[in-house]
Amino acid sequence: SAVISQKPSRDICQRGTSLTIQCQVDSQVTMMFWYRQQPGQSLTLIATANQGSEATYESGFVIDKFPISRPNLTFSTLTVSNMSPEDSSIYLCSVDGQGKTDTQYFGPGTRLTVL
Amino acid sequence: AQSVTQLDSHVSVSEGTPVLLRCNYSSSYSPSLFWYVQHPNKGLQLLLKYTSAATLVKGINGFEAEFKKSETSFHLTKPSAHMSDAAEYFCVVSLTGGQNFVFGPGTRLSVLP
Repeated sequence: SAVISQKPSRDICQRGTSLTIQCQVDSQVTMMFWYRQQPGQSLTLIATANQGSEATYESGFVIDKFPISRPNLTFSTLTVSNMSPEDSSIYLCSVDGQGKTDTQYFGPGTRLTVL
Repeated sequence: AQSVTQLDSHVSVSEGTPVLLRCNYSSSYSPSLFWYVQHPNKGLQLLLKYTSAATLVKGINGFEAEFKKSETSFHLTKPSAHMSDAAEYFCVVSLTGGQNFVFGPGTRLSVLP
């Protein structure tokens, strides 16, 4: 399975600011996914990011709030813009199975607290 | 659209006793099904997956799950719980293999000494 790292691992931010989360994979992958896990809740898919194309957002998530970049096959960023306390969550990236698109492997997550 | 129900938000077992975590799904077509585990302050780890091969799937750490189409279930079991099994467990359904994951609400497993 792929080795996935995320930066930062955690952060505390002020209302109205933005934070960019990085996701790095140790091998080339086709698809990368971004999820949000609100406190005590399950995971919700924010968007799917393919290299060379615009990210596809799920219902309830918009590009202005969660812009995503996918500059190459091993890296992606998610920005949480104009943050409010409701954005306090764990944000996780995941990748497909290195050519085997029948599963996903997850990064360790970024724990975000907005004051 | 597909959905996942995990019938128990919290399960508590004694060390050495069997574990049963229940998962039911709703899907119009043959789904792929997964179980992931999340230990405190850790990412998600894949335990096992069903992708239309054998209905009894064996995973890591002694876990297994059985796909029962007639019952639309994919329950996770382990014969003997270990303290290290204490974690949050998520059942996941997908109609498109490894994409479009829909997560269940999760079951927190506690293991008592």
